[in-house]
Amino acid sequence: EDQVTQSPEALRLQEGESSSLNCSYTVSGLRGLFWYRQDPGKGPEFLFTLYSAGEEKEKERLKATLTKKESFLHITAPKPEDSATYLCAVNNNAGNMLTFGGGTRLMVKP
Amino acid sequence: EPEVTQTPSHQVTQMGQEVILRCVPISNHLYFYWYRQILGQKVEFLVSFYNNEISEKSEIFDDQFSVERPDGSNFTLKIRSTKLEDSAMYFCASSSLRGGNTIYFGEGSWLTVV
Repeated sequence: EDQVTQSPEALRLQEGESSSLNCSYTVSGLRGLFWYRQDPGKGPEFLFTLYSAGEEKEKERLKATLTKKESFLHITAPKPEDSATYLCAVNNNAGNMLTFGGGTRLMVKP
Repeated sequence: EPEVTQTPSHQVTQMGQEVILRCVPISNHLYFYWYRQILGQKVEFLVSFYNNEISEKSEIFDDQFSVERPDGSNFTLKIRSTKLEDSAMYFCASSSLRGGNTIYFGEGSWLTVV
């Protein structure tokens, strides 16, 4: 059974204070690892897909990296509008379903 | 930018009543999904649908649940006899290809069973 664990559960940062969110996973044949952003009461908004260890992707202040056991979402100089819950999910090579972690709730204070 | 749309955004229903949640997936997508998120908990997979049939389902998706693509644009989730524990946010999603391809989510339908 695929498992995804995200840490920390909550993270408070000052505006401009860079940090990283962790996603540890066990999966029977990784087909893709996904990062989503979720605002309160909204659906997950796609950020990145990573397919193989060593891969990195960037978008504005966000950078996602992948190893064989975990993924990191690095946030550089965050702004208050980056406040949200960040979700990590994996897809294995047996099907289409995503297995989600519990998320990291990020709060960025001005 | 194409998006997945869901209706209703919020529905309150009495226990034992039937509920239908509706979704319009992204137009050129072929794979459709329902997920749910109970308040404060993880997003959980319910079912995937391709070529007019269920391709995968979770243990949550029991005989009380069904899905249908009644026409070329809509995708529905029916809960036959709602229970209190069905209260959750239900997300419809779609993707253009299977496995590893990006899955795009709608804004959700919040179901409250009283």
